[in-house]
Amino acid sequence: DIQMTQSPSSLSASVGDRVIIGCRASQSISNYLTWYQQKPGKAPQLLIYAASSLQSGVPSRFSGSGSGTDFTLTISSLQPEDFATYYCQQSYSLPWTFGQGTKVEIK
Amino acid sequence: QVQLVQSGAEVKKPGASVKVSCKASGYTFRSYGISWVRQAPGQGLEWMGWISGHNGNSNYAQKVQGRITLTMDTSTSTAYMELRGLRSDDTAVYYCARHGPGILYYFDYWGQGTLVTVSS
Repeated sequence: DIQMTQSPSSLSASVGDRVIIGCRASQSISNYLTWYQQKPGKAPQLLIYAASSLQSGVPSRFSGSGSGTDFTLTISSLQPEDFATYYCQQSYSLPWTFGQGTKVEIK
Repeated sequence: QVQLVQSGAEVKKPGASVKVSCKASGYTFRSYGISWVRQAPGQGLEWMGWISGHNGNSNYAQKVQGRITLTMDTSTSTAYMELRGLRSDDTAVYYCARHGPGILYYFDYWGQGTLVTVSS
């Protein structure tokens, strides 16, 4: 199975900060990488697919980059509604696997 | 608009079975696959399996292989996840999620989740 490792596991940031979350795959996954946002008690929501494609309706302050084994999710200017947990997911090979999550908290 | 509406919370005893439904609307059901993902309390996301909307073929995670069956009823646009031999560590919120277009296998719409509690 492909292991997905996110860094950091949690971070504290202020409104307006630039936030970068990393995701590393245990083997190359090309661009088969997706990012989700999850708020407490809610289902995950799709942010980014194919490593860098922004899902329709998602604010442009979210962006994704990377290919192969190393990927990043960037929030250019953190907004109050962005405090949540973020997960990466690989769909290169079965079983599809998620990172352990990165919790973004208010500083 | 695309919606996935899941059945309500369940409480089961160890060894029992549970069947969760996921009713789709707002799109052509047979054109998209459905995955099931679970989340134990306070934990991350775990993919369990998927079923193709085209032909009903399915694939399961090894961890639940042999205990899980995914099915679908195209006449009602409903997908089902049955999990047998329940254990306490199956306690989780179970989500159905639609696959996005193409072969990238990301999940673009999710159900609201169904809490399954396994307790004696």
